[in-house]
Amino acid sequence: AQTVTQSQPEMSVQEAETVTLSCTYDTSESNYYLFWYKQPPSRQMILVIRQEAYKQQNATENRFSVNFQKAAKSFSLKISDSQLGDTAMYFCAFMSTQGGSEKLVFGKGTKLTVNP
Amino acid sequence: DGGITQSPKYLFRKEGQNVTLSCEQNLNHDAMYWYRQDPGQGLRLIYYSQIVNDFQKGDIAEGYSVSREKKESFPLTVTSAQKNPTAFYLCASREFYRGGPPNSPLHFGNGTRLTVT
Repeated sequence: AQTVTQSQPEMSVQEAETVTLSCTYDTSESNYYLFWYKQPPSRQMILVIRQEAYKQQNATENRFSVNFQKAAKSFSLKISDSQLGDTAMYFCAFMSTQGGSEKLVFGKGTKLTVNP
Repeated sequence: DGGITQSPKYLFRKEGQNVTLSCEQNLNHDAMYWYRQDPGQGLRLIYYSQIVNDFQKGDIAEGYSVSREKKESFPLTVTSAQKNPTAFYLCASREFYRGGPPNSPLHFGNGTRLTVT
């Protein structure tokens, strides 16, 4: 079974600085998709960024970028120029496609606090 | 505007009672999902459905039931057999193309907080 591990339960960063959230996963599949979701205090889940495993180029979305290391099964999220609104829970997720069923498997999350 | 509506936002029930959480979407998505969120546990999959009249158990299906009679609706029933039903429940949907790349993300509702006493 696929598993997703986020080893940092909590992190904090000063406003305007850069922070990296770690994520590792375990799978035997060769082609898959990875996602980062953000959950602010409102508890609304918001897609931050996604990465296709067959693409070597790391995905970027404005201040958010990933460092995807397929061989190491690592998918970290970098947030540049952190803003107070980035304070949230961040979840790494893996799209499992075994047996023709597509389902998203989530890590336990990292609580990020951006300090003024 | 297209989206996913979960109702109610807060739900209170007595132990031993079944309760049904509503989830409706107007995004024309084929696939729908129910997740449970507990502190420190992330999101765990309860049930999912990739087509009308068909659904599969997720990782923690015991004590729950679902139906998918319409494309737009995927209600979740929390039965009295669920030992620890108090939690935050999230419904989601996404596009599903059989045989296509699984790159479409989940779109989430705002969640229902269920408290059972």
